[in-house]
Amino acid sequence: DVKVTQSSRYLVKRTGEKVFLECVQDMDHENMFWYRQDPGLGLRLIYFSYDVKMKEKGDIPEGYSVSREKKERFSLILESASTNQTSMYLCASSSRLALRVNEQFFGPGTRLTVL
Amino acid sequence: AQSVTQPDIHITVSEGASLELRCNYSYGATPYLFWYVQSPGQGLQLLLKYFSGDTLVQGIKGFEAEFKRSQSSFNLRKPSVHWSDAAEYFCAVEDYGGSQGNLIFGKGTKLSVKP
Repeated sequence: DVKVTQSSRYLVKRTGEKVFLECVQDMDHENMFWYRQDPGLGLRLIYFSYDVKMKEKGDIPEGYSVSREKKERFSLILESASTNQTSMYLCASSSRLALRVNEQFFGPGTRLTVL
Repeated sequence: AQSVTQPDIHITVSEGASLELRCNYSYGATPYLFWYVQSPGQGLQLLLKYFSGDTLVQGIKGFEAEFKRSQSSFNLRKPSVHWSDAAEYFCAVEDYGGSQGNLIFGKGTKLSVKP
């Protein structure tokens, strides 16, 4: 079974703190994604990566950065957390299907609260 | 830009009743299509996917979906709902012509099941 794990299920941080969310997948997938999920807004793509050291902005990258130093690991960084970044964060991975999309496998999510 | 519409934000059905969740997409050709389910506090799990071929696809947990190109729809169905089906359901379509590997998600339909 594909497994995508996230470092924390619940996280509470203070405004201004630097926050790291870690995601690891064990299926040698090329693609990895970070989403945030808010009620009524569905899933919104923050950043994605197609390969090691590669990253591309999604729909809402402001206030976030990412790092992908190893194929299996994709980190989301909140440089200076703010209360409007309180949300559920979901990591996903997928294999590369020639020129088309493939199904994404999701981690359990991290519910981040910024006080 | 492509979009996915799930017209129903919240649906309540009685246990044992049939279910249909609607999904419409804006796209001219035949995209790859997906349905995911999210139980409370969890990540997303793939129910089924459509790439090509038979327009009626079977998934896990007794779900099926039918692709109708003329209506740009990919509705999810289940003949008899169980209390454990209470969850949020997301339709997704490939971001064809955009970034390869990306999915565009609908805002979700929350399903409640009455005993």
